[in-house]
Amino acid sequence: GENVEQHPSTLSVQEGDSAVIKCTYSDSASNYFPWYKQELGKRPQLIIDIRSNVGEKKDQRIAVTLNKTAKHFSLHITETQPEDSAVYFCAASEGGGADGLTFGKGTHLIIQP
Amino acid sequence: DAGVIQSPRHEVTEMGQEVTLRCKPISGHDYLFWYRQTMMRGLELLIYFNNNVPIDDSGMPEDRFSAKMPNASFSTLKIQPSEPRDSAVYFCASSSGTFTGELFFGEGSRLTVL
Repeated sequence: GENVEQHPSTLSVQEGDSAVIKCTYSDSASNYFPWYKQELGKRPQLIIDIRSNVGEKKDQRIAVTLNKTAKHFSLHITETQPEDSAVYFCAASEGGGADGLTFGKGTHLIIQP
Repeated sequence: DAGVIQSPRHEVTEMGQEVTLRCKPISGHDYLFWYRQTMMRGLELLIYFNNNVPIDDSGMPEDRFSAKMPNASFSTLKIQPSEPRDSAVYFCASSSGTFTGELFFGEGSRLTVL
């Protein structure tokens, strides 16, 4: 089955700086890669996703890049703000949808004032 | 829609007791998922249903765990008997279809087994 590795497990950045979280996956058939944000004590929520026919996708301060050859994808957050502090999860699935999603272990992003 | 609704939000029980967690998915969503979240193992998929039918239960840890979906608006996850290692946050999530991708999570049920 699919295996998703996520790094780093904890990331501390100064407010206003950029943050990058990286994930690798094992199943070359995977074609859907979402990112979820989970604030402390809250539910995970989808923030951005990318499908295998696209190399990059942006939404305001967040972007995701995908390298299918190397089987890795990354989340980029620019101009970080205190409300970006949360745990971020990457995931991958073969079917293109929510069924069969395998999640990474998560990255705790800390924004230092 | 009020979103995915889970109950109870918190449950504290003693080892050996039966635990039942409940979930109401978003109306119209065909897929329902049960996840378990712990610090050590992250988010693990336990089981998911499509149109009330269990599709993949390979993540259910052992026979002590069972899940049902008697109709499109209700699902239960039961643990009998419960053990301390079952302590975790259990999330229910629903989705509208295979190709839409987005999971809508409930607020979770925090289970503590003493």
